[in-house]
Amino acid sequence: QKEVEQNSGPLSVPEGAIASLNCTYSDRGSQSFFWYRQYSGKSPELIMFIYSNGDKEDGRFTAQLNKASQYVSLLIRDSQPSDSATYLCAVNYYNQGGKLIFGQGTELSVKP
Amino acid sequence: GAGVSQSPSNKVTEKGKDVELRCDPISGHTALYWYRQSLGQGLEFLIYFQGNSAPDKSGLPSDRFSAERTGGSVSTLTIQRTQQEDSAVYLCASSAQGGGNTIYFGEGSWLTVV
Repeated sequence: QKEVEQNSGPLSVPEGAIASLNCTYSDRGSQSFFWYRQYSGKSPELIMFIYSNGDKEDGRFTAQLNKASQYVSLLIRDSQPSDSATYLCAVNYYNQGGKLIFGQGTELSVKP
Repeated sequence: GAGVSQSPSNKVTEKGKDVELRCDPISGHTALYWYRQSLGQGLEFLIYFQGNSAPDKSGLPSDRFSAERTGGSVSTLTIQRTQQEDSAVYLCASSAQGGGNTIYFGEGSWLTVV
């Protein structure tokens, strides 16, 4: 089992729709979870982090965490073409000294 | 500095040569990471420095790769006897404490081995 797993996509949604991105992880001791966005040829940039079970909202973005199911997701409401990018899930591996492990990323395409 | 600074931004080297990549983290950040990203792939963890602790080198792909961090600040990633499969972008990131804090990336060093 990979440490952090994401569907590679591409995920294609129409403009204005909700995009749902999913991530599972294997370390039950993990405490911190991050979503990064990466445009082609650019470095990853932080969108959100979440530490507690439940939902965390920031503008059009909502992160959802379920530690019992070892699952974290990112919802993007009112998707825009400018949201087209690769979304990377990252998990802090508490039981491995706190290093941050990334998933392979999900490519999102928002069609006008 | 204001952000994570990496140099060189681009490097083309001949197979078999050694290369050094430099990272200057955000001032005051104690944790520093190196990742590698091949074309169209995700981020592959290489090494993690946290304060004065022994670095986590578990991601280094072979003994041709090494990294050091001097004075708890600047880090250098060295690749000896480069191979074509080493071609990738090497990303450095830093965070205030590590262990769950947000990490911030530099712009990367794009390495091409010909």
